[in-house]
Amino acid sequence: EAGVTQFPSHSVIEKGQTVTLRCDPISGHDNLYWYRRVMGKEIKFLLHFVKESKQDESGMPNNRFLAERTGGTYSTLKVQPAELEDSGVYFCASSQWAGANVLTFGAGSRLTVL
Amino acid sequence: EDQVTQSPEALRLQEGESSSLNCSYTVSGLRGLFWYRQDPGKGPEFLFTLYSAGEEKEKERLKATLTKKESFLHITAPKPEDSATYLCAVQAEFSNQFYFGTGTSLTVIP
Repeated sequence: EAGVTQFPSHSVIEKGQTVTLRCDPISGHDNLYWYRRVMGKEIKFLLHFVKESKQDESGMPNNRFLAERTGGTYSTLKVQPAELEDSGVYFCASSQWAGANVLTFGAGSRLTVL
Repeated sequence: EDQVTQSPEALRLQEGESSSLNCSYTVSGLRGLFWYRQDPGKGPEFLFTLYSAGEEKEKERLKATLTKKESFLHITAPKPEDSATYLCAVQAEFSNQFYFGTGTSLTVIP
């Protein structure tokens, strides 16, 4: 079974530019989550999709972040325009059920904003 | 506010030297407590889920326990390949979010 795939693995952009991160969850996993780890801090929740619908986006920092999951398959997370404080590692995770279930994480996309 | 605190931040052990990692949590009704292992450059990898106080889970040299306020990850006779960051996370009732601690970075020296 293929795991959760994220790309790019590392992106370096300048402040004000746009970056789009992609996540391919495990096939059949309706629940897809985005998390972020800023250096020195804990992994923090950004949002949760159930199929193509946003179930909870309470963790999204501001309106510069836009997440989509068209067709309920892969998801993208766009940051536009990027700011220095957006630097960190963005993790995607998926699960079959939204309850107390195991999250399978991708390797993460490291974003560096200069 | 739901919160997870892990200690110590870093731990160095000699091979074979047993120890415990702590995860203290505050949550408005616990749905589950999770332990993950993270290796450099990789995403967190699931180890255990604990649901209620008194529960214990074991896997090879690792044993996780749970009380109403904290969880311990006991490492018995660790090997260098156990070196990793160990993350604790909780999921609250009526929420699908996971709240993570900052992790304990474990180094096992041969």
